[in-house]
Amino acid sequence: AQSVTQLGSHVSVSEGALVLLRCNYSSSVPPYLFWYVQYPNQGLQLLLKYTTGATLVKGINGFEAEFKKSETSFHLTKPSAHMSDAAEYFCAVSEGRGAQKLVFGQGTRLTINP
Amino acid sequence: GAGVSQSPSNKVTEKGKDVELRCDPISGHTALYWYRQRLGQGLEFLIYFQGNSAPDKSGLPSDRFSAERTGESVSTLTIQRTQQEDSAVYLCASRLTETQYFGPGTRLLVL
Repeated sequence: AQSVTQLGSHVSVSEGALVLLRCNYSSSVPPYLFWYVQYPNQGLQLLLKYTTGATLVKGINGFEAEFKKSETSFHLTKPSAHMSDAAEYFCAVSEGRGAQKLVFGQGTRLTINP
Repeated sequence: GAGVSQSPSNKVTEKGKDVELRCDPISGHTALYWYRQRLGQGLEFLIYFQGNSAPDKSGLPSDRFSAERTGESVSTLTIQRTQQEDSAVYLCASRLTETQYFGPGTRLLVL
């Protein structure tokens, strides 16, 4: 069975600083990996995804993530934080092609300090 | 284009009452999911519909929870005899290929 661990339920960075949100997964087969963002009182919006191919994937709003199979990680980064990045971020894994369900991490709340 | 819509956006009910939550998926999306998100927590899978196949109900927490879907369109999640522990945001998502697209959710409060 798959699982997702997001290290740090709360992360706080200064505006302009590097954002790093950690995600580790377990899966018995090659996974599909996703990062979603949730703004207050809204649904989840897809930031980026890894399915196959290039392990460094770029998403919206300047975010990117790198799939590292050897480390079973899919950490999310952004070089320079903006106040509008304050939100809850969720990492999710599915079992790849044909898989039907996503397993989500517990989420990381990102706070940006001015 | 139109995204996933859910109604109502908020629902307050009394313990013991039944509630129905509605989801309108993106047109043409064959798969539809319901999730529950308790305060400060991640998403719990509830149920999944794919075309005409039997739904995957493995995430439903009790027999008080049920869901239906009409063809490849609207879905309704029903919670009978609501309990305070059912208070949460209920999110619906639809999918055509590998990506699930989420609605804004229904915030349910059971008093």
